[in-house]
Amino acid sequence: EAGVAQSPRYKIIEKRQSVAFWCNPISGHATLYWYQQILGQGPKLLIQFQNNGVVDDSQLPKDRFSAERLKGVDSTLKIQPAELGDSAVYLCASSLDPGGYNEQFFGPGTRLTVL
Amino acid sequence: AQRVTQPEKLLSVFKGAPVELKCNYSYSGSPELFWYVQYSRQRLQLLLRHISRESIKGFTADLNKGETSFHLKKPFAQEEDSAMYYCALRARGSQGNLIFGKGTKLSVKP
Repeated sequence: EAGVAQSPRYKIIEKRQSVAFWCNPISGHATLYWYQQILGQGPKLLIQFQNNGVVDDSQLPKDRFSAERLKGVDSTLKIQPAELGDSAVYLCASSLDPGGYNEQFFGPGTRLTVL
Repeated sequence: AQRVTQPEKLLSVFKGAPVELKCNYSYSGSPELFWYVQYSRQRLQLLLRHISRESIKGFTADLNKGETSFHLKKPFAQEEDSAMYYCALRARGSQGNLIFGKGTKLSVKP
């Protein structure tokens, strides 16, 4: 089966610019996650969707980050405006069940560099 | 606060030697613990979870609630085990939110 797809794979922008990442989860997976992984750290959850509703966005910096999952399938994560500290790999993951108890499958990630 | 600690950033062993990757957690309730692995140029993937109590690729991990640990072990390391290993915790009743440690890079030398 096809895995979680993400694009772009790499992005370099200057601070204060905007950027958007896209994620296509595994077909039929109800739950979608966005994680931020700063160099030398483990992934940190930014937001979790169950179908097209937000389950947990407690760690999302809402003044500059936004995410949506229209129609309960694809998702986009946006940063506007970006700061130097946003340089990281942004991982998307999905799991089959609405409760998020099944295995999470990860995408390849988008590596963001903010100059 | 929920926290996962992996004290070693890098662990280097020779092929055939035993391996133990340490993981300690902080959580007041009864957690679910996982080990994820990321091989070079590959995606992060689940290696094992404490609930299933199985051995994957020769690795095992036992949840020790008294010591709040979930160390990953393998009796004889292979070169293909070289990778980044992340320990993760999920609070029971939470809807999937994984809390990851900082990871340990395992290097198995020939």
